[in-house]
Amino acid sequence: DGGITQSPKYLFRKEGQNVTLSCEQNLNHDAMYWYRQDPGQGLRLIYYSQIVNDFQKGDIAEGYSVSREKKESFPLTVTSAQKNPTAFYLCATDEGRQPQHFGDGTRLSIL
Amino acid sequence: RKEVEQDPGPFNVPEGATVAFNCTYSNSASQSFFWYRQDCRKEPKLLMSVYSSGNEDGRFTAQLNRASQYISLLIRDSKLSDSATYLCVVTLTDKLIFGTGTRLQVFP
Repeated sequence: DGGITQSPKYLFRKEGQNVTLSCEQNLNHDAMYWYRQDPGQGLRLIYYSQIVNDFQKGDIAEGYSVSREKKESFPLTVTSAQKNPTAFYLCATDEGRQPQHFGDGTRLSIL
Repeated sequence: RKEVEQDPGPFNVPEGATVAFNCTYSNSASQSFFWYRQDCRKEPKLLMSVYSSGNEDGRFTAQLNRASQYISLLIRDSKLSDSATYLCVVTLTDKLIFGTGTRLQVFP
């Protein structure tokens, strides 16, 4: 069953804690993306990766980190430096040409 | 000025109605255009691409006006299941730029 799997579906973060959101794909797509969506706002790009072992900052990278050690996986870490982490996080992939396809998202909240 | 602007709505329409959404974009170098549909608390899903010549997919028609820098989505014979938020998306230098979405509510 091809697709993009994000986990967990819901995540709670304590003050000063780093948390990692998982994104796995079996579509064999080269490019992977992380977006954040806040109520009433459009999706904003956090980080993206066009190829394994390479990634670039998006528009709102501060307080986040990523890695791309495998083609299938693009985990996002929300660090304690991100002061307003509560949002809906979406992972997406494409084949290097648009459009993008999305996972079903992770909702992150602060405890 | 926002890069992609949409009327947030909501548009409340009865079943069977025809409804149209517009979206404007600020950068004339924008390359590709899409409409995505997002249900409440779910991920966006591609509805259709938008081509310069206009394109139709069943009850949905999308059009692009490069000169005026807007795209439109027309939904005919609205169904209850069309209730969702419709996101206008443009690409610029291989990055997607999302509008904030227009909410549609179809009532019986």
